[in-house]
Amino acid sequence: KAGVTQTPRYLIKTRGQQVTLSCSPISGHRSVSWYQQTPGQGLQFLFEYFSETQRNKGNFPGRFSGRQFSNSRSEMNVSTLELGDSALYLCASSIGTSGRRSTDTQYFGPGTRLTVL
Amino acid sequence: AQSVTQLDSHVSVSEGTPVLLRCNYSSSYSPSLFWYVQHPNKGLQLLLKYTSAATLVKGINGFEAEFKKSETSFHLTKPSAHMSDAAEYFCVVSDYAGGGNKLTFGTGTQLKVEL
Repeated sequence: KAGVTQTPRYLIKTRGQQVTLSCSPISGHRSVSWYQQTPGQGLQFLFEYFSETQRNKGNFPGRFSGRQFSNSRSEMNVSTLELGDSALYLCASSIGTSGRRSTDTQYFGPGTRLTVL
Repeated sequence: AQSVTQLDSHVSVSEGTPVLLRCNYSSSYSPSLFWYVQHPNKGLQLLLKYTSAATLVKGINGFEAEFKKSETSFHLTKPSAHMSDAAEYFCVVSDYAGGGNKLTFGTGTQLKVEL
């Protein structure tokens, strides 16, 4: 089975621009989650999509948004880029079972390295 | 909310010696816990996961972790370190919130393996 793929792998943008990152989950997985990784803040949860609906959201400003398509592929968008948005953005997919007894496992893609100048 | 604390930001071992990476968790119910590894400029790879089926969990590449409820710990061990084990390791808890499960990461432990 192919793993999680993310495109592009590297991206350079300037402040004020917007960017769209793409994630293709493992076949059969219906949940896609996004995480931001920076040296200062570590790994932080952005949001999760399941069956085209945002099911969970982290503490990020509204400039960060996402969506999921009917084939479970997901995109995240960051508008009005700031220098502090420079980070590795990781996408993870899982089957999507939820709840306190869930044993769902998230599998990560290689990430998109975004640099904001 | 659940959380994990990784007690060491850096661990250095010699090749062939045991590895111990420490993690404590905080949870109001029986958690799902994971260890992930990240090699430089790579994504995260799942090493192992605990989901209450067995307290001693075996993972890939010879790693294992033991869930100890009395100590709220989930330490990662390996009997003999290899140079290829040098990487950053994350202890992770799955938190149920808002209708879905999200992962909460520890701050990471950088493992250095020396000859």
